[in-house]
Amino acid sequence: SAVISQKPSRDICQRGTSLTIQCQVDSQVTMMFWYRQQPGQSLTLIATANQGSEATYESGFVIDKFPISRPNLTFSTLTVSNMSPEDSSIYLCSVEMSTDTQYFGPGTRLTVL
Amino acid sequence: QQQVKQSPQSLIVQKGGISIINCAYENTAFDYFPWYQQFPGKGPALLIAIRPDVSEKKEGRFTISFNKSAKQFSLHIMDSQPGDSATYFCAASSGGYQKVTFGTGTKLQVIP
Repeated sequence: SAVISQKPSRDICQRGTSLTIQCQVDSQVTMMFWYRQQPGQSLTLIATANQGSEATYESGFVIDKFPISRPNLTFSTLTVSNMSPEDSSIYLCSVEMSTDTQYFGPGTRLTVL
Repeated sequence: QQQVKQSPQSLIVQKGGISIINCAYENTAFDYFPWYQQFPGKGPALLIAIRPDVSEKKEGRFTISFNKSAKQFSLHIMDSQPGDSATYFCAASSGGYQKVTFGTGTKLQVIP
């Protein structure tokens, strides 16, 4: 299994600022994923982050708004840039450990005022 | 992303009863169908998953039924317990977890 931690667990930010969310895994993984989950809603994949390469973004998400770093096999960051109230959401990182096994972090609850 | 339709949106079941959640998909390239359980304030946790080469998979009280021709799959929770109260998401993907599409979620409440 994998233990995933995220920092911060929650934050309240002002419009126009940026927040960087950290994701730490207790073992080395090749693929890490970032999701967004608006309260009471489903999960939407933002991007896939592989170590040593550029992140791959899903339709509707761009690098300028959600830059991602993946400096090693256990860590990744997602930055939410130039925030607006529409960015208020829960951001989750996820890892694929092996075939048929995916683990999610506890999420970062972001509120933008 | 390709759609995965999930119903019902919410479900109330008596303790000991059977909870049934249904999902339907469109993309015939999907080859992996996981279900996730999410408690408030937590990330989703993989519950059970199935591939289209089998029609049913059972793990404890949880069973997935899969109908490839109808492009439908469902989760059955037998002997439902109050501790099963959570939101359940079906999902579908092709090629592992790189392109997972989630359903809209079902909030299950099991009452004593």
